[in-house]
Amino acid sequence: GAVVSQHPSRVICKSGTSVKIECRSLDFQATTMFWYRQFPKQSLMLMATSNEGSKATYEQGVEKDKFLINHASLTLSTLTVTSAHPEDSSFYICSAPREDYGYTFGSGTRLTVV
Amino acid sequence: AQSVSQHNHHVILSEAASLELGCNYSYGGTVNLFWYVQYPGQHLQLLLKYFSGDPLVKGIKGFEAEFIKSKFSFNLRKPSVQWSDTAEYFCAVNAGGGGNKLTFGTGTQLKVEL
Repeated sequence: GAVVSQHPSRVICKSGTSVKIECRSLDFQATTMFWYRQFPKQSLMLMATSNEGSKATYEQGVEKDKFLINHASLTLSTLTVTSAHPEDSSFYICSAPREDYGYTFGSGTRLTVV
Repeated sequence: AQSVSQHNHHVILSEAASLELGCNYSYGGTVNLFWYVQYPGQHLQLLLKYFSGDPLVKGIKGFEAEFIKSKFSFNLRKPSVQWSDTAEYFCAVNAGGGGNKLTFGTGTQLKVEL
């Protein structure tokens, strides 16, 4: 139980294009979704927190207009990297809090911008 | 703001050796503590968590961790590691209460040799 499905697992895009990453909660309702970014050999850094039906809360230093987060339903949260640049290449992971299990994580998306 | 330190970045052990990975956190209030494991190519999995009660927590796969409040520590231990324990291990903390954002340590890459 408590599965979060994240897609795509890998994506390569050209500079200047946009990429959408989806996280779906398969067997529970996720009112909150955390979006993390992980650079190679570094820790997971929280980018933003999305809440169903309201605006996302971004961490300091994260550009809201660049990383668009939408949480329109209780089972789907999306992160769109707009006008991607090579420095946006990273591993993006979503996570939904579950009181009984702690947190459930998606399998991550490896984004490469060329 | 809360922070988490993992002092061992790379650990190499032989099978059957004992393991202890250090984790210290910085936060003045009540915290919940977690250890996650990430096997190559897989998503984060919860090993164990501490919310309250007995400070010695037992998790899956023979892992345990001890919360020492006076030292702000939550070290992970396993008496006898196996080759299959090769993975990256993350300590994480959130402010007390469910659904709050997690702050991760930098991770420890464990390699177990046969």
